[in-house]
Amino acid sequence: DAEITQSPRHKITETGRQVTLACHQTWNHNNMFWYRQDLGHGLRLIHYSYGVQDTNKGEVSDGYSVSRSNTEDLPLTLESAASSQTSVYFCASSESWNTGELFFGEGSRLTVL
Amino acid sequence: AQSVTQPDIHITVSEGASLELRCNYSYGATPYLFWYVQSPGQGLQLLLKYFSGDTLVQGIKGFEAEFKRSQSSFNLRKPSVHWSDAAEYFCAVGALGGGADGLTFGKGTHLIIQP
Repeated sequence: DAEITQSPRHKITETGRQVTLACHQTWNHNNMFWYRQDLGHGLRLIHYSYGVQDTNKGEVSDGYSVSRSNTEDLPLTLESAASSQTSVYFCASSESWNTGELFFGEGSRLTVL
Repeated sequence: AQSVTQPDIHITVSEGASLELRCNYSYGATPYLFWYVQSPGQGLQLLLKYFSGDTLVQGIKGFEAEFKRSQSSFNLRKPSVHWSDAAEYFCAVGALGGGADGLTFGKGTHLIIQP
């Protein structure tokens, strides 16, 4: 079955370190998204991509970057991790640009000490 | 700017009882409306969506939702809950014809099922 996988599922890092969260989907979806989930804030969009070489900033993009070199992968990089970036991160993909039907990974819990 | 309000942070329901989760939205044009469910330790899964047409939409797992334009609401219902329905529920709104990047999620309602 097609799926979307995130790795690592859990990570602890130190302030100032670079961290990359991987996201891989096998649906061949053009559209991929990164969200963070925080208590009291729900889901907030970090970055998104509508195709290879396309990347866009979301609501809370400061301190994060993404790259899209192929259809399957959208890695999320924290260039210099901060404690405020402690969160649960979700990757999602969608087949159609405008249906809003997102398929989510299981999440990556990141703790920045 | 669009927004979604889920007034209830937590709801406790007895197993077998009926359920209604509230969602109010603010959006200037015709909205796309969604309900997602998040089981513990999992990602979100789409329960149902409303684009147009019949204002009562059926979803997976026995859930339904009713779009009421006059009340700017899209409440989720289930006639009889099961212990496996315990989860976090998110309402979301987007622009009809807009990209998925334009989805705005509510802060979620945590559903607790009592035996």
